[in-house]
Amino acid sequence: AQSVAQPEDQVNVAEGNPLTVKCTYSVSGNPYLFWYVQYPNRGLQFLLKYITGDNLVKGSYGFEAEFNKSQTSFHLKKPSALVSDSALYFCAVRSLDTGRRALTFGSGTRLQVQP
Amino acid sequence: EPEVTQTPSHQVTQMGQEVILRCVPISNHLYFYWYRQILGQKVEFLVSFYNNEISEKSEIFDDQFSVERPDGSNFTLKIRSTKLEDSAMYFCASSVRGHETQYFGPGTRLLVL
Repeated sequence: AQSVAQPEDQVNVAEGNPLTVKCTYSVSGNPYLFWYVQYPNRGLQFLLKYITGDNLVKGSYGFEAEFNKSQTSFHLKKPSALVSDSALYFCAVRSLDTGRRALTFGSGTRLQVQP
Repeated sequence: EPEVTQTPSHQVTQMGQEVILRCVPISNHLYFYWYRQILGQKVEFLVSFYNNEISEKSEIFDDQFSVERPDGSNFTLKIRSTKLEDSAMYFCASSVRGHETQYFGPGTRLLVL
């Protein structure tokens, strides 16, 4: 079975400071990992993904994520937060090694960036 | 930039009524999906569709649900007899191929009274 844990319901950070949104996962075989962002009254927007290769992946809007196989984590990071980054962030996983395409999502982390 | 679109944005229905939620996937995509998000809960997978048939479905996707690609552009989710617990945001998604990134639409908020 696949599962994703996002241990923080909310992360608060001051504008200009670095941010981290945590994600750990469980999956059979090799993981295919994603981060999506949801703004109010909007759908899920793709930010970045990890499939293989470099453990640090870069995505949209200056976000990056670090894959750590030993810790089964895929934390989302940004060096300098903007107020406009305030939104709901979802981590998702699927297995590369099964035929399943269904994404399993975490419960989401609300990021609040204060001016 | 191509986007997945969904209609309607909001739908209110009475319990027991049938509803059809519509989606237009990105034009060159071949795999289509439905997910739902009950208020305050996780986004949950319902079904995936490829080559005019269901390729995968979850336990949630019971006989009350069906999907169809009635023409070359639309992808629909039908709930035959809605229940109160079907109230949720329903997201359509599509991907070029099965292993590629899934791109989501803005969602349809369904309220069953």
